[in-house]
Amino acid sequence: GAGVSQSPSNKVTEKGKDVELRCDPISGHTALYWYRQSLGQGLEFLIYFQGNSAPDKSGLPSDRFSAERTGGSVSTLTIQRTQQEDSAVYLCASSQRGGRFHEQYFGPGTRLTVT
Amino acid sequence: EDKVVQSPLSLVVHEGDTVTLNCSYEVTNFRSLLWYKQEKKAPTFLFMLTSSGIEKKSGRLSSILDKKELFSILNITATQTGDSAIYLCAADSGGGADGLTFGKGTHLIIQP
Repeated sequence: GAGVSQSPSNKVTEKGKDVELRCDPISGHTALYWYRQSLGQGLEFLIYFQGNSAPDKSGLPSDRFSAERTGGSVSTLTIQRTQQEDSAVYLCASSQRGGRFHEQYFGPGTRLTVT
Repeated sequence: EDKVVQSPLSLVVHEGDTVTLNCSYEVTNFRSLLWYKQEKKAPTFLFMLTSSGIEKKSGRLSSILDKKELFSILNITATQTGDSAIYLCAADSGGGADGLTFGKGTHLIIQP
């Protein structure tokens, strides 16, 4: 595809359940980023992948959050035992060159609502 | 802690007006400042600024960075209703995160 795609676009889940969010970056982009945007807040960095490895996971808010990337392409962000404060839009971005930022292309996001 | 502050948080103007959006930052190892336009969910890239005093321009939008005073402005001239969006400013701190520190955004509404 031409751009970054994410699925699902919307997810409503009950508190305590696990959810998986998917990101498909632009083909050939080596760097992949996950962000979270809560209501009224700016974007919050979660994790960065260079290829399949995640040099920095420092933005993950708790050990209930994990992410993986396989084959240097698709990434999944997993939230275990969801809490209401996890409700947010989760945005994924990819970049042709990792390391220092150059230009990140964002996906449409997944809106997660925890009831 | 890295910080990016945008002002105003919201702004309502009439079509044809000129607006100036502000972004100040405090980040360690600053490398660049970026502006995005967010209309629905995904921000779209507008500008990346790395050098002070050099204006970047794209149509009716322009932006400039002041690395001494640690701020940037985004100008939009002859505004149109299609300019209505949230404008996000982000600083690349070059830190270990390799991500960006975003401000909360300015919600711009252009009334016809």
